[in-house]
Amino acid sequence: KAGVTQTPRYLIKTRGQQVTLSCSPISGHRSVSWYQQTPGQGLQFLFEYFSETQRNKGNFPGRFSGRQFSNSRSEMNVSTLELGDSALYLCASSWGGQATDTQYFGPGTRLTVL
Amino acid sequence: AQSVTQLDSHVSVSEGTPVLLRCNYSSSYSPSLFWYVQHPNKGLQLLLKYTSAATLVKGINGFEAEFKKSETSFHLTKPSAHMSDAAEYFCVVSPPKGYSTLTFGKGTMLLVSP
Repeated sequence: KAGVTQTPRYLIKTRGQQVTLSCSPISGHRSVSWYQQTPGQGLQFLFEYFSETQRNKGNFPGRFSGRQFSNSRSEMNVSTLELGDSALYLCASSWGGQATDTQYFGPGTRLTVL
Repeated sequence: AQSVTQLDSHVSVSEGTPVLLRCNYSSSYSPSLFWYVQHPNKGLQLLLKYTSAATLVKGINGFEAEFKKSETSFHLTKPSAHMSDAAEYFCVVSPPKGYSTLTFGKGTMLLVSP
């Protein structure tokens, strides 16, 4: 089975722009979660989607949004980019998104905001 | 609320010597606990998980961890370090049921010298 894939792998944007990141889960997985990884804050939960519905959201401003499509692929969008949004964005998929399910992570998208 | 504290930001060992990475958790219930590893410029890979079954959990690549409720600890061990073990390790907590919301520790960088 193919693993979780994320595109693009690297992205450079300037302040004020917006960006869309994409995540394709493992085939058969219906839950997709997004995490932000920075040197200062570590890994933080952004949100989780299941069957096209956002079930859970972390403590991030409304500039961060996401969606999930009927094939379970997910996108996250960050509007009005700030320097502090520079981070590695990781996507993870699991079968049902339950607390005991194993989450499988993609390689991440490295976003740099100039 | 749940939280994880990884007691060492860096651990240095020599190849062939034992590895001990320490993790304490705080949770108002009996949580699910995970250890993930992240190699440079890679995503996160699951090493092992505890979900209220056996307290001694065996994972991949010779790693194991023991859940100790009385000490609220979930330390990761390996009898003999290999050069390829050099990476960053994350202790992660999730509620025992409901939707998965992973809370990550700050990470421990494992350095392995020849």
